[in-house]
Amino acid sequence: NAGVTQTPKFRILKIGQSMTLQCTQDMNHNYMYWYRQDPGMGLKLIYYSVGAGITDKGEVPNGYNVSRSTTEDFPLRLELAAPSQTSVYFCASSAAETGELFFGEGSRLTVL
Amino acid sequence: SQKIEQNSEALNIQEGKTATLTCNYTNYSPAYLQWYRQDPGRGPVFLLLIRENEKEKRKERLKVTFDTTLKQSLFHITASQPADSATYLCALDVGYSSASKIIFGSGTRLSIRP
Repeated sequence: NAGVTQTPKFRILKIGQSMTLQCTQDMNHNYMYWYRQDPGMGLKLIYYSVGAGITDKGEVPNGYNVSRSTTEDFPLRLELAAPSQTSVYFCASSAAETGELFFGEGSRLTVL
Repeated sequence: SQKIEQNSEALNIQEGKTATLTCNYTNYSPAYLQWYRQDPGRGPVFLLLIRENEKEKRKERLKVTFDTTLKQSLFHITASQPADSATYLCALDVGYSSASKIIFGSGTRLSIRP
């Protein structure tokens, strides 16, 4: 059972480039989330989704986009990367009944 | 806007003592509150969930309390061990409908010295 899988694990981008962080879960969870974590800080919610076709903004959505075409996948798109987007990105999923979040191992992004 | 504060950025205690971490929140009445553990370079791992109608919850050496009047949760680790050293995060569901919008506090880095 893979749980929540994120790719890539590491990536270096140049300012202005775009990329997509992939997230997939095999637990048939309806809820999925993207967080970012800056060094020594807590997690900030970027976007979340309560089911396929439904997404909503979190605390820090600017500079990001998401889509949820299937229950399993929740990709995060960075357009025009900026140094302020250097961070560790975590994807998570949960079943509506329990609220417990299951996290991926994270994607470390550096924008130079 | 909703705000979650964990009162200590870092906490350093002696092995065998009880560690107590605090989570305070404002501007919301959550249906439940969660605690997670995060080790360096890893994603957070769920520990406990406590609902608004529960005063206290226990799991092995862990105990969580939830005071909705004070808008505060306390997280206790009894008989602490060096292996308990990690960052501990509290989280709230601040969604306004059936949606589950979960936000986190900044975390408390706990160090247990032998």
